[in-house]
Amino acid sequence: DGGITQSPKYLFRKEGQNVTLSCEQNLNHDAMYWYRQDPGQGLRLIYYSQIVNDFQKGDIAEGYSVSREKKESFPLTVTSAQKNPTAFYLCASKPTRTSGAYQETQYFGPGTRLLVL
Amino acid sequence: RKEVEQDPGPFNVPEGATVAFNCTYSNSASQSFFWYRQDCRKEPKLLMSVYSSGNEDGRFTAQLNRASQYISLLIRDSKLSDSATYLCVVTQGSSNTGKLIFGQGTTLQVKP
Repeated sequence: DGGITQSPKYLFRKEGQNVTLSCEQNLNHDAMYWYRQDPGQGLRLIYYSQIVNDFQKGDIAEGYSVSREKKESFPLTVTSAQKNPTAFYLCASKPTRTSGAYQETQYFGPGTRLLVL
Repeated sequence: RKEVEQDPGPFNVPEGATVAFNCTYSNSASQSFFWYRQDCRKEPKLLMSVYSSGNEDGRFTAQLNRASQYISLLIRDSKLSDSATYLCVVTQGSSNTGKLIFGQGTTLQVKP
């Protein structure tokens, strides 16, 4: 089945620890995105990548890092510099080679809930 | 001012009711508009795109008013399964980065 997978479903972080959230897609999409969602709030963009080996900061990139070595994969590292990491993290992807409202649609993975111990 | 504003609700309606959600956006250069549905503790899923001429998908009707920078979603004959949070989403201006701006969502509870 084609889709986006995220792992783990739940992740616990200790003080001072870096943790990495996985995002994989087999939709052959060029662009991938990481969002953070806090209770009662909309999604906020952390990082995005439109093509392999390239990525840009979103609105709340501080304390996070990413890599895009393969088209299928866009892992997110939550570093110890992120002081309030508890949130629901969502990865999304979309194709970029065509235009129109349909192709602006992003498809989401099931998310990872990060909790601080 | 938030870039995309929605009434968070909750909207509590009986089965069979008609309910409407509204959304306003601040960037007049936004080109594409969507409604996503998010169930509790799940990922958002596309409900429908919103076109200038208005569009309908079964019991759901979306409208866009570019002059007023206003988007609406109408749900007719509400079902229990419609209970969810509905996210209003717009593209960030006219850039081709694919960046989307999300509203905080409007929560709908359909009661028996």
